[in-house]
Amino acid sequence: EAGVTQSPTHLIKTRGQQVTLRCSPISGHTSVYWYQQALGLGLQFLLWYDEGEERNRGNFPPRFSGRQFPNYSSELNVNALELEDSALYLCASSFSGANVLTFGAGSRLTVL
Amino acid sequence: AQSVTQLDSQVPVFEEAPVELRCNYSSSVSVYLFWYVQYPNQGLQLLLKYLSGSTLVKGINGFEAEFNKSQTSFHLRKPSVHISDTAEYFCAVSIQGAQKLVFGQGTRLTINP
Repeated sequence: EAGVTQSPTHLIKTRGQQVTLRCSPISGHTSVYWYQQALGLGLQFLLWYDEGEERNRGNFPPRFSGRQFPNYSSELNVNALELEDSALYLCASSFSGANVLTFGAGSRLTVL
Repeated sequence: AQSVTQLDSQVPVFEEAPVELRCNYSSSVSVYLFWYVQYPNQGLQLLLKYLSGSTLVKGINGFEAEFNKSQTSFHLRKPSVHISDTAEYFCAVSIQGAQKLVFGQGTRLTINP
């Protein structure tokens, strides 16, 4: 069984640019979560999608957004990139209503 | 709101020695508790979880943790560590229906030969 897959694995952007990160959940999982792991800040909850709807959002500015597609895959978009957006972005998935999350390997974003 | 405190940012131990990684949480409601491990340049892997039932939880790779409600703790233990256990370990909590994990700051476990 394939795990949670994320793409790209690494990317470099410059300040002001926009980035889209992608996540495919485990087959059968309908919930997708996004977390940011920035140096010195730990793991911060970004977004939770379930059945195509945004269910919860962490304390991040509106330039962080996303969506979930009918096949339950998800995108995280970050506009107007800032240096402090440099981080590992982790996607996780679960069955709807479940509390056990399975994480992907992450997308490492570097903003120069 | 829930919060998690991992009391040690770094724990160095010798190979084959026992180890305990400490985790305390605060919450006004019942919580679910988790330990995740992150190997270098990888994502998070679930080590073990407490959802209900026995307070002693056994996980993968020989790790176990004990839920202590009165002390609001969920310490992770292993009786004998191996070089391959070198990683960062994260304690996390969630509450039913919130679908949001709150993580501690992580403990870096370093195994010395």
